[in-house]
Amino acid sequence: GAVVSQHPSWVICKSGTSVKIECRSLDFQATTMFWYRQFPKQSLMLMATSNEGSKATYEQGVEKDKFLINHASLTLSTLTVTSAHPEDSSFYICSARDKGLAGGSIDEQFFGPGTRLTVL
Amino acid sequence: AQKVTQAQTEISVVEKEDVTLDCVYETRDTTYYLFWYKQPPSGELVFLIRRNSFDEQNEISGRYSWNFQKSTSSFNFTITASQVVDSAVYFCALSGMNTGFQKLVFGTGTRLLVSP
Repeated sequence: GAVVSQHPSWVICKSGTSVKIECRSLDFQATTMFWYRQFPKQSLMLMATSNEGSKATYEQGVEKDKFLINHASLTLSTLTVTSAHPEDSSFYICSARDKGLAGGSIDEQFFGPGTRLTVL
Repeated sequence: AQKVTQAQTEISVVEKEDVTLDCVYETRDTTYYLFWYKQPPSGELVFLIRRNSFDEQNEISGRYSWNFQKSTSSFNFTITASQVVDSAVYFCALSGMNTGFQKLVFGTGTRLLVSP
């Protein structure tokens, strides 16, 4: 099956620093990647949709200047949390759609293992 | 707007009991997909099933079964003879035609605790 990796799996940082999270599709090309945030004991909330070579589309209420998304290639998308604060502490999950399955019917999303961010 | 409701926040059962997780959805799309995912303590989402809106046939996969009823907008998930390894948070999700089936809307999840 398709594999999506995330790096790092966890990170602890000081308030005010920036943190970059990578999402990679290991054995397929992903035209679209999604970034979700999950607070403890809560559901996954879509933050943004990232298409290769174009600007990300952010969901309402998500600050695009704070959560920078770059989808530079068909296998890599990055999420940078700029000037992180304790309220940004969360579990960040990415998913990727398989380009090879695109066209007409739904493409399955493959989820990464998540990155746990703790801001002190 | 699309919405997925999982009214059961947490369910506790003893091993070998059957358990049903409820999922009720709202959408104006005539074509949509419904999903169930399992999230064990490790955090990684595990895909369980995808069902399209035109297929109301119930599905069984081992100890898992799903009951899709459009008339009540429900897509319930039953685990038969539960095991401790089934302990996890289970999410129901919806993807509709109006977003090109790109966006997944998740329910709030049901935490299942299976004790020995």
